[in-house]
Amino acid sequence: QKEVEQDPGPLSVPEGAIVSLNCTYSNSAFQYFMWYRQYSRKGPELLMYTYSSGNKEDGRFTAQVDKSSKYISLFIRDSQPSDSATYLCAMSARGSGSEKLVFGKGTKLTVNP
Amino acid sequence: GAGVSQTPSNKVTEKGKYVELRCDPISGHTALYWYRQSLGQGPEFLIYFQGTGAADDSGLPNDRFFAVRPEGSVSTLKIQRTERGDSAVYLCASSPLAGAADTQYFGPGTRLTVL
Repeated sequence: QKEVEQDPGPLSVPEGAIVSLNCTYSNSAFQYFMWYRQYSRKGPELLMYTYSSGNKEDGRFTAQVDKSSKYISLFIRDSQPSDSATYLCAMSARGSGSEKLVFGKGTKLTVNP
Repeated sequence: GAGVSQTPSNKVTEKGKYVELRCDPISGHTALYWYRQSLGQGPEFLIYFQGTGAADDSGLPNDRFFAVRPEGSVSTLKIQRTERGDSAVYLCASSPLAGAADTQYFGPGTRLTVL
């Protein structure tokens, strides 16, 4: 079993839809949870960052972490064609001696106009 | 300001050859990371530098892979005796703080193809 599981999709939605992206993980040492957006042939770009459990909102994006279930989510409201990209969840056990990010496979999202 | 830059953007080589991939981090960033991203996968950690020293090289797949950061800025990832399985996008990231996983800024990557 991989440390981080993410459904690769692809996911196709109409413009304006609410998108829900999810990851599960197995390592209880993870404390820091990130969502990255990656456009084709580009490097990952940090979208959201959450420490421990809870919710965080930034504009149309909301990140949720449930450490008891080892489950994280990213919601995109009023999705736009420019949101079409691959979304990667990433986690870190920073403070536990490792600074590396552990990524999911990524979910490819297409928002159709 | 300038982001993380990586050169070359594309590298095609033949099996058995030696390659060097370069990363220029954001100016002033002390931490530097290398990741490898295979097609359809998320990035996988290779090595982490804090200053000039490799603080964590647990992700390097074998002894054909080596990385240096001699002056605490630019880093070079070196791959000896390349194999077709080494084909991937090699990503570099930098961070202003040690252990700041939440502030890793990624470069565009070097796409390595081993024929």
